[in-house]
Amino acid sequence: EVQLVESGGGLVEPGGSLRLSCTVSDFTFSKYWINWVRQAPGKGLEWVANIKYDGTEKNYVDSLKGRFTVSRDDAKNSVYLHMSSLRADDTALYYCVTPLRRYRAEYLHHWGQGTLVTVSS
Amino acid sequence: DIHLTQSPSFLSASVGDRVTMTCRASQGISYYLAWFQQKPGEAPKLLISAASTLEGEFPSRFSGSGSGTEFALTINSLQPGDFATYYCQQYNSYPWTFGQGTKVDFK
Repeated sequence: EVQLVESGGGLVEPGGSLRLSCTVSDFTFSKYWINWVRQAPGKGLEWVANIKYDGTEKNYVDSLKGRFTVSRDDAKNSVYLHMSSLRADDTALYYCVTPLRRYRAEYLHHWGQGTLVTVSS
Repeated sequence: DIHLTQSPSFLSASVGDRVTMTCRASQGISYYLAWFQQKPGEAPKLLISAASTLEGEFPSRFSGSGSGTEFALTINSLQPGDFATYYCQQYNSYPWTFGQGTKVDFK
């Protein structure tokens, strides 16, 4: 069973930056699309971004383009979410999620437990 | 962007009830729709993919239907562990989007 572990969350001031990490326990990590989904406290789910298995394609929710960037390091089995110009409404639990099948950008199957980002002064 | 509207937002029911919730897409998404179950303090779990394919860990009292713009999730004979929030999500086109959720609680 694939396991995903997010890290890097914490308290950051408005306007600040943060880098979230997602480490995947699967030796075939380099064959998977990786997604980020967030959930503000007491609110619903919002898909944030994803990155193709080879890093050649990245997709973002329109409202976050230019502030959030996704990258990956296959040597470390890790994906990163670089967040800048953070605002209070970016406060959320950020989940790392993968599909079931390799090479496929499809339904969100394996979820991590999330890392909490709090933007506050 | 494709907007997903879930109805109802809240659903009060009793153990043993049959409940149905719907998800309407603002444009056609074929069968590229998933349903998730989320309980408080837990990460969401994939319940149904491709509109009607049930994930193995869930019992057959859960079923999904629909295609295009109209979808439904039905739970036959609601059990205590089914009280949760359910989200639909489309993966037909970017940006992927979620519905606002349907919370199923005790009547």
